[in-house]
Amino acid sequence: AQSVAQPEDQVNVAEGNPLTVKCTYSVSGNPYLFWYVQYPNRGLQFLLKYITGDNLVKGSYGFEAEFNKSQTSFHLKKPSALVSDSALYFCAVRDNTGGFKTIFGAGTRLFVKA
Amino acid sequence: DGGITQSPKYLFRKEGQNVTLSCEQNLNHDAMYWYRQDPGQGLRLIYYSQIVNDFQKGDIAEGYSVSREKKESFPLTVTSAQKNPTAFYLCASIGDRRQPQHFGDGTRLSIL
Repeated sequence: AQSVAQPEDQVNVAEGNPLTVKCTYSVSGNPYLFWYVQYPNRGLQFLLKYITGDNLVKGSYGFEAEFNKSQTSFHLKKPSALVSDSALYFCAVRDNTGGFKTIFGAGTRLFVKA
Repeated sequence: DGGITQSPKYLFRKEGQNVTLSCEQNLNHDAMYWYRQDPGQGLRLIYYSQIVNDFQKGDIAEGYSVSREKKESFPLTVTSAQKNPTAFYLCASIGDRRQPQHFGDGTRLSIL
C-alpha cells in the first residue's frame, strides 16, 4: 500500500535562512513524487515533481527537492526562505505500475519569521 | 483558461440530508479525484475515476457516492450515512500519470 509521512507538523525558520521540509514514502515499485503548496481556503498548487532521472529536481519559486531511493525520502528545500513562503506544504506519491491512485502526506506548516 | 471549477464554495447540510458537490474541468483530463481535508490529517482520498463510467473507492469512501457520466464532470454526493461531513473537499484531475494534479479551490461543507 502507498503511504507518505511528513514527520513535522510545523517548521519554523528565519527569513534568509535555508529551509527543509521532510517527506518519506512507501510504494510498490518506483515512485512518482510531488510537492504542493496550499494557501488558506485555496486548492493545492504544484511546486515540483520527481519522475525519473536526476535525483535533484528544481521547481517553482526557488524550491528544490532531493530524491533518495535508499532512504525513501523526498525532502523539499530552499536556500533562502522568504516570509511569503509561509504556507502549508504537502508531499504526494503515486506508483508507476499503471494506476492513478495518489496519496498525500498530512502536511507541514512552514512559518518564516521576518 | 483551462481549470477545475468546484461549486458551491460553501455548503450547509441539515441532519439526514444528502448534498452534492460539483466538480467540472475543461482540461480534457481522463482522471479525476475527490479528497477530504481535515485539520492535521492532510488530504484523504475519497474516490477517484480513471475514465468515464468507471471509478474506484479511496481510503474513506464510506458515506460518499460519485458518478462519472461525462469526462468533464465528477460530482460527489455526501450522504446522510456520513456522520461527520464537516470538512474542506477538494477535487483534482490529471491527464497523464506522470503529471501533477490540478486542483479546484474547494468546497467547505458544514452541518447546520
